[in-house]
Amino acid sequence: GEDVEQSLFLSVREGDSSVINCTYTDSSSTYLYWYKQEPGAGLQLLTYIFSNMDMKQDQRLTVLLNKKDKHLSLRIADTQTGDSAIYFCAEALGGQNFVFGPGTRLSVLP
Amino acid sequence: SQTIHQWPATLVQPVGSPLSLECTVEGTSNPNLYWYRQAAGRGLQLLFYSVGIGQISSEVPQNLSASRPQDRQFILSSKKLLLSDSGFYLCAHRDPGDYEQYFGPGTRLTVT
Repeated sequence: GEDVEQSLFLSVREGDSSVINCTYTDSSSTYLYWYKQEPGAGLQLLTYIFSNMDMKQDQRLTVLLNKKDKHLSLRIADTQTGDSAIYFCAEALGGQNFVFGPGTRLSVLP
Repeated sequence: SQTIHQWPATLVQPVGSPLSLECTVEGTSNPNLYWYRQAAGRGLQLLFYSVGIGQISSEVPQNLSASRPQDRQFILSSKKLLLSDSGFYLCAHRDPGDYEQYFGPGTRLTVT
């Protein structure tokens, strides 16, 4: 079946690293994504990783994929108040199907 | 570059009234188009997707319908709104053969 799970809340202090975790169930996923949603706005694609990769780094963002455990994480280095948002993990299965997790609300404390 | 528009941005409608939300995409041809609903504090639920003009697939049975009258236009409709139709409606597009899905700014619908 298709199911993507995330913790619903995460709080970190400004300047610390944030790690948002995600687990998925379908091993046939081709791509896995992280989206950011700021209040009242649509979803912004942050980064994605192909399922045959273990890690992808893009400036302050690091994505780690453990395909054996079906675990995806997003690490944000030097977290800033502007990083406060909801972060969605998503997997792309075959065809048109994108499955999204419930989102993790990241709060950055001063 | 590609741009995706949605309107209206916000909408308050009474129960039983009709609904029409519009999504248009610029800068691409023959995109795959999607309608999602995000209930308050929850994740995204895929409602409909379309791979071409007049081609609509529904993911969940519901009170809503979708149409694609033009290549880059996707419309979400209802004949009679229910209270449970309240939510944040997001349109998204993806180019065929591409793995990135891009979202519009969303429409917040409140049914009273």
